[in-house]
Amino acid sequence: AQSVTQLGSHVSVSEGALVLLRCNYSSSVPPYLFWYVQYPNQGLQLLLKYTTGATLVKGINGFEAEFKKSETSFHLTKPSAHMSDAAEYFCASSYSSASKIIFGSGTRLSIRP
Amino acid sequence: EAQVTQNPRYLITVTGKKLTVTCSQNMNHEYMSWYRQDPGLGLRQIYYSMNVEVTDKGDVPEGYKVSRKEKRNFPLILESPSPNQTSLYFCASSFQSGRSYNEQFFGPGTRLTVL
Repeated sequence: AQSVTQLGSHVSVSEGALVLLRCNYSSSVPPYLFWYVQYPNQGLQLLLKYTTGATLVKGINGFEAEFKKSETSFHLTKPSAHMSDAAEYFCASSYSSASKIIFGSGTRLSIRP
Repeated sequence: EAQVTQNPRYLITVTGKKLTVTCSQNMNHEYMSWYRQDPGLGLRQIYYSMNVEVTDKGDVPEGYKVSRKEKRNFPLILESPSPNQTSLYFCASSFQSGRSYNEQFFGPGTRLTVL
């Protein structure tokens, strides 16, 4: 069965430091992969997506993620954290044959001044 | 502006009192879905709809009903709410056919408390 695992329910980094949020998927067929961000008291917003083609995907707000099939991973990174990046981040996967999306449990990102 | 709207945004009710949370999208999307978000569990799908008059259960459908009489609307109905349905609910929509991927657009959420 398809599943998404996010390592670490809470990650804290200093402002200006590297952000790394981990996501692994389980699937025999490479899925479509997404990262969503949820700011406090708001809905989910798509950060970036991997469908086909280039495995390094760039998203909004300076975030990027790399699809690694051999590791079944899709980790999210940002070179330099900003205070405005504090939010909850969800990794998700789906297949082309249906629109159902499976979400990970989420990682709350905190930024220390 | 392309958007998914939900109403109400906040609701406090009592056990057993029927309620409906509305969801509407203006993007002509075929696919619509309801999720609930609980701490540590991420988002779990309640029901989804592939098109008008086509609905199906998601992962946690117990205690919920939906209908899809019009393409733009997908209300979530709790016939007899219970405290374990206290949660944050999101509606989402996307195109279904002829697309290489299925980015979903989310509503702002409805925070429901059942006493």
